[in-house]
Amino acid sequence: GAVVSQHPSRVICKSGTSVKIECRSLDFQATTMFWYRQFPKQSLMLMATSNEGSKATYEQGVEKDKFLINHASLTLSTLTVTSAHPEDSSFYICSARDRAGGDGTQYFGPGTRLLVL
Amino acid sequence: DQQVKQNSPSLSVQEGRISILNCDYTNSMFDYFLWYKKYPAEGPTFLISISSIKDKNEDGRFTVFLNKSAKHLSLHIVPSQPGDSAVYFCAASTGAGANSKLTFGKGITLSVRP
Repeated sequence: GAVVSQHPSRVICKSGTSVKIECRSLDFQATTMFWYRQFPKQSLMLMATSNEGSKATYEQGVEKDKFLINHASLTLSTLTVTSAHPEDSSFYICSARDRAGGDGTQYFGPGTRLLVL
Repeated sequence: DQQVKQNSPSLSVQEGRISILNCDYTNSMFDYFLWYKKYPAEGPTFLISISSIKDKNEDGRFTVFLNKSAKHLSLHIVPSQPGDSAVYFCAASTGAGANSKLTFGKGITLSVRP
C-alpha cells in the first residue's frame, strides 16, 4: 500500500524559532501533497495544497508567510512554521495522492506533534 | 458552516456486533466519499471509499452505503472487533482529480467492548 512518512514525529521548540516538517511518499510519486492541522477533538483542517514545482495554494485564513511550503520533488514536501508561537502548537499531518492513481484517495503520514513553549 | 457532519461524537458496541457510523453532508457537489480510521497521535488510515455513481461498496468487514437523495452515508463494520476501536473520519470531495480537496467531518470515536 501507499506509505507516507513524516519527520520529525514530535518537536518541542522555543517561541520565535522556526520548525521544518518533512513529508515523504515512500513508494509512489505524488504530484500533489496536502498539509492539515488538527486540534484536539476537532476535524482535520486543510491548510494548503502543495504542488510539485509550483507555489502552494493556501486555504483562506492560513498565512503563507507563516507556513512556508516547498514541494521540491515528487516525493518530498516540507512545511516550515516560521517564528513559531504557542498558538501554533498542534498536530500537523500531511497527505499525498498517488500520481498514477485514478481515484481521489489521499494517503496520510503519521503526523507531527508540535509544541511551542 | 460544516459541510460534512458526524453528529454522534462516540459509539460503543459489543465485540461481534455491527457498528454503524453515520455521516451527513450538505454540499450536493460532493461526489466522492471516503472513510478513514485514526488512532491517537497517528495519521488517518484509509479504509474504504465510494463514488456517487454507486450506493454500496464492500471490502471485507467494511461496507459503505451512500444515499445521495438524503445526502447521507454510513460505514458498517461487521463483526466489530476490539482492534476497531479508534476515531473514524468521514471525508468528501468534488471529483477525484489531482487537486481535489477533502473535507472532513469531526470524527466518531468507536469503542468495541470485548
